[in-house]
Amino acid sequence: QVQLVESGGGLVKPGGSLRLSCAASGFTFSDYYMSWIRQAPGKGLEWVSYISSSGSTIYYADSVKGRFTISRDNAKNSLYLQMNSLRAEDTAVYYCARDQSIVAFDIWGQGTMVTVSS
Amino acid sequence: QSVLTQPPSASGTPGQRVTISCSGSSSNIGSNTVNWYQQLPGTAPKLLIYSNNQRPSGVPDRFSGSKSGTSASLAISGLQSEDEADYYCAAWDDSLNGPGVVFGGGTKLTVL
Repeated sequence: QVQLVESGGGLVKPGGSLRLSCAASGFTFSDYYMSWIRQAPGKGLEWVSYISSSGSTIYYADSVKGRFTISRDNAKNSLYLQMNSLRAEDTAVYYCARDQSIVAFDIWGQGTMVTVSS
Repeated sequence: QSVLTQPPSASGTPGQRVTISCSGSSSNIGSNTVNWYQQLPGTAPKLLIYSNNQRPSGVPDRFSGSKSGTSASLAISGLQSEDEADYYCAAWDDSLNGPGVVFGGGTKLTVL
């Protein structure tokens, strides 16, 4: 069935790095724009980054610009988020999501928790 | 402070009609479509309404969306206990500082 499965979350110290992965299955991954969206504990949704189907167009939220890098490997049906210089405020559940059309995220993963703490 | 403004809470009794508002600006809602998400406790968000007023297959017609100018609304009619959840609006923002996706702060719906 159509699904997204995130992995790579965990506990990291401030200033550290982490790489999240999102494995897609059940659909033609290369046809879709994809995003990372996060949710801090007890807080609302915050968009993190967006990548076009070919990977040629990328956008980032101001809060992560210069620290996070989104990428994709269409041959491996995978989406990635390289997170560097992590801060306590990056602590959140990170979701990958498929964009059906202009911010209509119709498929979400189960989320992976990232905790930044010393 | 979210770019899109939603009331933090809403409530209703079973069978009632409830509306949740979402206010934005000319760079987001005013020039792009609005989508709504439902998040049940402990689960990932679910697309509820897309392109202002379209329902994905499987979403009951009790849920409806509308947009006017720089504001949008989600209406839930025939309120049911399982509708108790957090609801978020979202839109693309054509900000000159850098385009991107903006979400509302979320509205917690309580079914009394």
